[in-house]
Formats: sequence, C-alpha cells, structure tokens
Amino acid sequence: GIQVEQSPPDLILQEGANSTLRCNFSDSVNNLQWFHQNPWGQLINLFYIPSGTKQNGRLSATTVATERYSLLYISSSQTTDSGVYFCAVLNQAGTALIFGKGTTLSVSS
Amino acid sequence: NAGVTQTPKFQVLKTGQSMTLQCAQDMNHEYMSWYRQDPGMGLRLIHYSVGAGITDQGEVPNGYNVSRSTTEDFPLRLLSAAPSQTSVYFCASSYAPGGDGYTFGSGTRLTVV
Repeated sequence: GIQVEQSPPDLILQEGANSTLRCNFSDSVNNLQWFHQNPWGQLINLFYIPSGTKQNGRLSATTVATERYSLLYISSSQTTDSGVYFCAVLNQAGTALIFGKGTTLSVSS
Repeated sequence: NAGVTQTPKFQVLKTGQSMTLQCAQDMNHEYMSWYRQDPGMGLRLIHYSVGAGITDQGEVPNGYNVSRSTTEDFPLRLLSAAPSQTSVYFCASSYAPGGDGYTFGSGTRLTVV
C-alpha cells in the first residue's frame, strides 16, 4: 500500500519563526490533505491540496504530485500553532485516507 | 450544532468486557470512518462505511465490529476488550473518503485494564 512519511518528527520554534513541514508519499495520489491536532486532541482539516498551492492566513501548502511530496509552510508561528500536523493521502482503492505519523510542533513565547 | 459527536469521551474497561463507542453526524455525510491513535503511530483506520448498509475493514479491524443502519450513526463495538485496545478513538465523516469537509469527532479515550 501507499506509504506516507513526514519530516521532521519533532520541531521546536520560538514564536515568530517560520517553518516547513514535509510529507513524502510512495505512489501517485490524487488526494492529499493536511490536518492539525491541537494540544487538546481536536483534529482540524487544514488543506485539501492534491496539487498546486493554497494559502490560508499564515499557513500555506504546496503539493508536487509528480515528485510525490507536499510541504506545509507556517509563517510567523504563534503558540496556538502548537500540536501535531498530519498529512494524509487517499489509498489506491479510493476508499480511505492513509495518515503519516505526524510532525509535533512546539512553539514557545 | 453541525458536526460529529462521539460518546463517551472517556471510558475504562476491564479485560474481556464489551462496549460500544457511539458516533453520530448531522451533516448528511455518506462516508464515515473510525480511527485509533496510539503514540508515535499516527491515525490508523479500523473500519469505514460508504453509506448506510455498507461497511468495510481498514488497516486494523481485528477485535472491532461496526454496522451502519442509518446515514447518521456509525457505532464501533469492542467485542472482548484487551489491553492492546487502549487508545484514543476518532470517528470522522465526509461526503467522500477524502476532500474538503472531512470532519473529526472529539475522540474517545479508552483504557483497558
């Protein structure tokens, strides 16, 4: 099946810093999504981005499907950005999302 | 309020007991799924459903059972709880298996002793 790898596994930042999270996947996909899990455990859908670039405030994401990776950019990080960021791709049968193991981000003030 | 509702939020079971985790959504989503989250493992799919009356297995289905009698509800049953099923369980729903509108419930933290 499709493998999803995220890097780095952990990231520690000072407030105001920028960061880039990476998601590599092992096979061609037509669906890629980014989620944020806040410190209280709630999972929020950030981006649906099978290809191209999207921006939402300080967050943006780029997927290069032909090269099998996606990047999530966080600019001017805030403490509320802390949590775990997951990328997920649709399996080859098109029936379910396969998640990476996540990047844990800690932003301190 | 529109969204995915999971109950209970916390549960402690003894080994061998059975229980049902409830999941309900009011967005008329056809697709629903159950995941478990363990430290360092990300989210792993247990079972999913593409509509009422249709369910299928995910990556880690053993020890769990599901049914989908209505569009709104997708309960997850633990048949005989084991300590290995200690985890946080999330239910999700969407119009399709992926895409915008993919919504998670707030989770159920289950401990099996």
